[in-house]
Amino acid sequence: GQNIDQPTEMTATEGAIVQINCTYQTSGFNGLFWYQQHAGEAPTFLSYNVLDGLEEKGRFSSFLSRSKGYSYLLLKELQMKDSASYLCAALNDYKLSFGAGTTVTVRA
Amino acid sequence: KAGVTQTPRYLIKTRGQQVTLSCSPISGHRSVSWYQQTPGQGLQFLFEYFSETQRNKGNFPGRFSGRQFSNSRSEMNVSTLELGDSALYLCASTFRQGAYEQYFGPGTRLTVT
Repeated sequence: GQNIDQPTEMTATEGAIVQINCTYQTSGFNGLFWYQQHAGEAPTFLSYNVLDGLEEKGRFSSFLSRSKGYSYLLLKELQMKDSASYLCAALNDYKLSFGAGTTVTVRA
Repeated sequence: KAGVTQTPRYLIKTRGQQVTLSCSPISGHRSVSWYQQTPGQGLQFLFEYFSETQRNKGNFPGRFSGRQFSNSRSEMNVSTLELGDSALYLCASTFRQGAYEQYFGPGTRLTVT
């Protein structure tokens, strides 16, 4: 089965950097996704890591260590619009298992 | 390109009734997955359909079922509704089987009273 853990809440100020950690335990692993979900809206895709290392996409970066069952999402130069829930999801045998999500609040 | 659409957006049903939700994927996408999202359990995978066949199933009771049509549109059905079925039901589409870059629809908010 899958067990995916991520912090419940994080708060940061505008312009700062926040790192959201995610640990997973899964019997088979095909990759790690990060999604962003604003309140009342559908999740939107942010990143997909299947190999170890860092993937950078503008202000957002995602890191994966398969041996440690660990990933993080790095949000740089935070903006107010980044206030949202960030969902970590592990892919196993074509099934996505989601963590409970981390609510990030950006303060002015 | 139009996004994933789901109908209806909101639905109120009473216990014991059944409900059918509809999902139209992005044009050209052949895989549709369904998820249930609740505050307590988060996003949970229900099932995935690809080329009209169920390819994967999550840990939900048999009251939850689905199907996919030849045009890739998908429906999910919940029979004998329970209060605990109140949730946001999301569908997501992707070009090929498997949960790669999935595109989510806006969801159907189901309330069971």
